[in-house]
Amino acid sequence: LAKTTQPISMDSYEGQEVNITCSHNNIATNDYITWYQQFPSQGPRFIIQGYKTKVTNEVASLFIPADRKSSTLSLPRVSLSDTAVYYCLVGGRDNYGQNFVFGPGTRLSVLP
Amino acid sequence: DAGVIQSPRHEVTEMGQEVTLRCKPISGHNSLFWYRQTMMRGLELLIYFNNNVPIDDSGMPEDRFSAKMPNASFSTLKIQPSEPRDSAVYFCASSRDSLTGELFFGEGSRLTVL
Repeated sequence: LAKTTQPISMDSYEGQEVNITCSHNNIATNDYITWYQQFPSQGPRFIIQGYKTKVTNEVASLFIPADRKSSTLSLPRVSLSDTAVYYCLVGGRDNYGQNFVFGPGTRLSVLP
Repeated sequence: DAGVIQSPRHEVTEMGQEVTLRCKPISGHNSLFWYRQTMMRGLELLIYFNNNVPIDDSGMPEDRFSAKMPNASFSTLKIQPSEPRDSAVYFCASSRDSLTGELFFGEGSRLTVL
């Protein structure tokens, strides 16, 4: 089963780009990489998902190197409202349930 | 389109009482998940259903916990008898694509057992 490792916490300032890296050394061939964001007193919210190379949406970009053993969530020009916990999940067709197992996540604090 | 709906939002009860948490998934979603979140343990997957059938309940803490999904639009998580250590926020989530798994979460039910 693909286990994920992320930094426990990160600090940033408003307007900066933030990159959060997740390690998943034993990712399986059919696994996808999914990132969620959670604000206090709310459930996690889907941010972005990818399989390989780069994915971009209106909120973030996801960079996945060729070996897929890690992934980096990139948040451009963060604001105070981006302060949240960010989770990286890995799973897919062959280990269905792992799609939905959350690790401790990365607590991002954006400072003024 | 309404999101995942959970009730109650808050519940305070006494040790030994039965607690029932309810969830209505997003229409058309075929997978439903129950999570528990505490400061100490983070977000734990308790059980999930696919097409109303429980697939994996290995995260259910003990026999005091049970979950049902009698139809595609309703699920319950029951704790009987409740204990103070069950105090947590319980989230329900649903998913349309069960393989790539984008989850949609409800607002949670905050349970306090005195």
